[in-house]
Amino acid sequence: QKEVEQNSGPLSVPEGAIASLNCTYSDRGSQSFFWYRQYSGKSPELIMFIYSNGDKEDGRFTAQLNKASQYVSLLIRDSQPSDSATYLCAVTGANSKLTFGKGITLSVRP
Amino acid sequence: DGGITQSPKYLFRKEGQNVTLSCEQNLNHDAMYWYRQDPGQGLRLIYYSQIVNDFQKGDIAEGYSVSREKKESFPLTVTSAQKNPTAFYLCASISRGAGGFDEQFFGPGTRLTVL
Repeated sequence: QKEVEQNSGPLSVPEGAIASLNCTYSDRGSQSFFWYRQYSGKSPELIMFIYSNGDKEDGRFTAQLNKASQYVSLLIRDSQPSDSATYLCAVTGANSKLTFGKGITLSVRP
Repeated sequence: DGGITQSPKYLFRKEGQNVTLSCEQNLNHDAMYWYRQDPGQGLRLIYYSQIVNDFQKGDIAEGYSVSREKKESFPLTVTSAQKNPTAFYLCASISRGAGGFDEQFFGPGTRLTVL
């Protein structure tokens, strides 16, 4: 059973701080890695994707991938109250099937 | 306006009834997926289809059925055999992103409640 594990939450950070969200996966053959943001009652929204080892930056978001350690993370710099949501890590396996972690709820305190 | 639409937004079902959830996309995507989300849980794959007239079971297909007669449409039927159908149902389709890798985009979801 291919698994994607995320830190149990919730995670609370003050406004302006860096939020660090972590994810590990079990399938060494995984190729693509995604972070989705999901507001309460809404569908997930893709915010970052990464395919190669290293860092990928997009505005205040940085995704980090380490395939040797089977680890992917998301850093949110200068956290804002509007970043408060559940963040889902997802990993692509065969047939583009995504396996999702259970998600971690982030709360940014004003 | 391109996108994925799901209807209805809210659906109530009585015990023993079959209900069908609609998913339509006008993005010309080949692959479509159905997921179920329970509170505090990630998304679990129910069924997926990579091409018209073909579909495959996901991890939790029991009690569900699908059809894919048109590229744009991938309806999901929740049958009376599904014992715990109350959940948030999400439809997704695939876009081939930069570098040749696939990216999934989601519809707005249908919240099903069994009365």
